[in-house]
Amino acid sequence: AAGVIQSPRHLIKEKRETATLKCYPIPRHDTVYWYQQGPGQDPQFLISFYEKMQSDKGSIPDRFSAQQFSDYHSELNMSSLELGDSALYFCASSLKQGRVLEQYFGPGTRLTVT
Amino acid sequence: RKEVEQDPGPFNVPEGATVAFNCTYSNSASQSFFWYRQDCRKEPKLLMSVYSSGNEDGRFTAQLNRASQYISLLIRDSKLSDSATYLCVVTGDSWGKLQFGAGTQVVVTP
Repeated sequence: AAGVIQSPRHLIKEKRETATLKCYPIPRHDTVYWYQQGPGQDPQFLISFYEKMQSDKGSIPDRFSAQQFSDYHSELNMSSLELGDSALYFCASSLKQGRVLEQYFGPGTRLTVT
Repeated sequence: RKEVEQDPGPFNVPEGATVAFNCTYSNSASQSFFWYRQDCRKEPKLLMSVYSSGNEDGRFTAQLNRASQYISLLIRDSKLSDSATYLCVVTGDSWGKLQFGAGTQVVVTP
């Protein structure tokens, strides 16, 4: 079965640079979520989109922005990168129907800021 | 205090044995409950959703106690491949923002 695709898988940037992470949800899934997982931490919710509209916002820095496009893929744009932004960034997708929203995660993008 | 609390373990389990562990959540309005497993900094993988009536998937059984606000996971006939970190996850609203526990590490030994 098709899974969530994320690119790139690894990214190395310097401080103050920008980065763009891409996420392609499971076909027919209409909701995309972004999570950040720092070393030794559990994933923290950043932002989500349903039908191309922002549906919820978590602990996403103002330096970050995201959007969902007409083909449902999503991009997380990160500017003025800081050392503390080094983390695994996961995208997850779900189909918003019924009572239970089961989210399926992509393999993640490992961002290293030097 | 985290909204989802788990015993970090590790739970050292002989192969073939049964292991069970819980997590507690603080938001009584939480709507959906899940167990995910995560291996070695890979992506969390959905193990099972947890329903009020309890549910079973092969060797895995999950229970939800809304009154006491805890969720349990039981693994029977443990396999070496069950070694992982098990994440207790809840959502607080219909949009599905997941709140993770810190995870319970399970190590199955030969």
